Amino acid sequence: AQSVTQLGSHVSVSEGALVLLRCNYSSSVPPYLFWYVQYPNQGLQLLLKYTTGATLVKGINGFEAEFKKSETSFHLTKPSAHMSDAAEYFCAVTPSDDAGKSTFGDGTTLTVKP
Amino acid sequence: ETGVTQSPTHLIKTRGQQVTLRCSSQSGHNTVSWYQQALGQGPQFIFQYYREEENGRGNFPPRFSGLQFPNYSSELNVNALELDDSALYLCASSRDRAAYNEQFFGPGTRLTVL
Repeated sequence: AQSVTQLGSHVSVSEGALVLLRCNYSSSVPPYLFWYVQYPNQGLQLLLKYTTGATLVKGINGFEAEFKKSETSFHLTKPSAHMSDAAEYFCAVTPSDDAGKSTFGDGTTLTVKP
Repeated sequence: ETGVTQSPTHLIKTRGQQVTLRCSSQSGHNTVSWYQQALGQGPQFIFQYYREEENGRGNFPPRFSGLQFPNYSSELNVNALELDDSALYLCASSRDRAAYNEQFFGPGTRLTVL
């Protein structure tokens, strides 16, 4: 079984400030980890994913995340927030031995202040 | 390349009725997953279909059933609707059932049960 915890349901930053969205997971087998973004009235869009290899993963729109196995974390960061980053962000885990069961966190709403 | 489409966009039903939601997968994708997203929560995995066969199921009762067609489009059927079934239903397709694959989401169907 697996689970995902996103710390902070709402995060507010100023434009140009660092964005840090936290994700911790639990998984009984090596996980594949994903971050998705959801804009209002739209479906989810993949930002980045970790499967194997390099633990620092770069995604679209300047986002990156680091897989830390010892901390069971996969936090999402962006050095400088832009107004267009305002959206809801979801962390998800898929067990590497069971493609059919992805588990999502409850999401973090990011607000960017001018 | 056509993305994932879902129909209808919105639906209002009364308790006890039955509903069918439809999803067209992205071109070249043979795997479809369905999720329920309640207000303020992350998507909850309902089930996945791979090449017309169910490939995994989440913790949903049997009144949630699905189907995948030879063209890989899919239906989600819910019988005996309950008030708690009110949610956004998301369909996602992927190239195949491998756990590391990105899922491409449709915009969702908003179901309201009165």
